[in-house]
Amino acid sequence: AQSVTQLGSHVSVSEGALVLLRCNYSSSVPPYLFWYVQYPNQGLQLLLKYTSAATLVKGINGFEAEFKKSETSFHLTKPSAHMSDAAEYFCAVSVGQGAQKLVFGQGTRLTINP
Amino acid sequence: EAGVTQFPSHSVIEKGQTVTLRCDPISGHDNLYWYRRVMGKEIKFLLHFVKESKQDESGMPNNRFLAERTGGTYSTLKVQPAELEDSGVYFCASSQWAGSDETQYFGPGTRLLVL
Repeated sequence: AQSVTQLGSHVSVSEGALVLLRCNYSSSVPPYLFWYVQYPNQGLQLLLKYTSAATLVKGINGFEAEFKKSETSFHLTKPSAHMSDAAEYFCAVSVGQGAQKLVFGQGTRLTINP
Repeated sequence: EAGVTQFPSHSVIEKGQTVTLRCDPISGHDNLYWYRRVMGKEIKFLLHFVKESKQDESGMPNNRFLAERTGGTYSTLKVQPAELEDSGVYFCASSQWAGSDETQYFGPGTRLLVL
């Protein structure tokens, strides 16, 4: 069965600093991987997804993630944090072709310090 | 194009009462999913419709939960009778699968509090 682990339920960085949110997955077959973001009082919005094409995936708002099969990781990064990045971030995995349920990590709440 | 909508946005009920949540997917999306996030825990899958058929309901916690999608359009999720542990945020998502490239679009969620 698939599973996702997000290291750190809370991450705090200064404005302008590097953002690094960690995600490790477990899957017996090649996975599809996703990062979603939830801003306060809003639903989940897709940031980016990996579907077995390029291992470095670029998403919206300057975020990117790199799929590393050897490390079973899909960490999310952004070079320079902005106050508007404050939100909760979720890593998720699905497997197989066709419409599939998502398995989510616990979520990481990102705080940006001025 | 309108996104996934959910109603109500919030619901506060007493233990033993019934609550019905509604989800309107993006027009034309055959796949509809329900997920739930209990406070402090991860978002968990409840069930998946393809059009009006239940494709996977392995995540439904017990028979107090009933989901329907009549006509393959909107879906309802009824909890009867509600228990304290049912409190949480219920998310709906929809997708139009295209080969291996499926993207699920989420609604804003319904925050349910059972007292």
